[in-house]
Amino acid sequence: QVQLQQSGPGLVKPSQTLSLTCAISGDSVSSNNAAWNWIRQSPSRGLEWLGRTYYRSKWNSHYAISVKSRITINPDTSKNQFSLQLNSVTPEDTAMYYCARTGQAGSNDYWGQGTLVTVSS
Amino acid sequence: QSVLTQPPSASGTPGQRVTISCSGSSSNIKSNIVDWYHQLPGTAPKLLIYSNNQRPSGVPDRFSGSKSGTSASLAISGLQSEDEADYYCAAWDDSLNGWVFGGGTKLTVL
Repeated sequence: QVQLQQSGPGLVKPSQTLSLTCAISGDSVSSNNAAWNWIRQSPSRGLEWLGRTYYRSKWNSHYAISVKSRITINPDTSKNQFSLQLNSVTPEDTAMYYCARTGQAGSNDYWGQGTLVTVSS
Repeated sequence: QSVLTQPPSASGTPGQRVTISCSGSSSNIKSNIVDWYHQLPGTAPKLLIYSNNQRPSGVPDRFSGSKSGTSASLAISGLQSEDEADYYCAAWDDSLNGWVFGGGTKLTVL
């Protein structure tokens, strides 16, 4: 059974960096059959995919156009986890953030528990 | 606005059959598989239907999905009070090179 456990601060100041981690159990971040995503949800923007990282002979990362200049998603093979960094945050980045696995069937089948991140001074 | 279009609300009485639509375009629904999620307040979305019409283990066969062209539908038969939740469709978008979602449909069991 795959489980994703999120961690990270719930409050970030404007202009600072939002950092979250998603620890994986029951699968490997280096799996050739999976991709690892960050998705956020807010009342104003709904569900919004932010980006993903995955391993296919080499590491790949792809990001949503809306955040491409500010986002980094990195795998950590030593801890079997992956992380999200979102720079220069504004109150518009306030949302519930989820990590999720895209499995072999091509669907986001496992999700983390969610982290509510508020951007406020 | 969300890339995929869903009705904001739907309702039915216990035992009824309800359907929720999801409209997209040639770059998402027509080209790729559609997934459906349901979400209870305060919890993460949970995969309900994948690959257009497949049910993950544990999902009752009261839930079914279909796709035609640029649209998809979720049908729930034998409606139960516990089905009251928010439902979202999702698909990969080849133009945006990312996942896109519907705005969600709040299902009320009357």
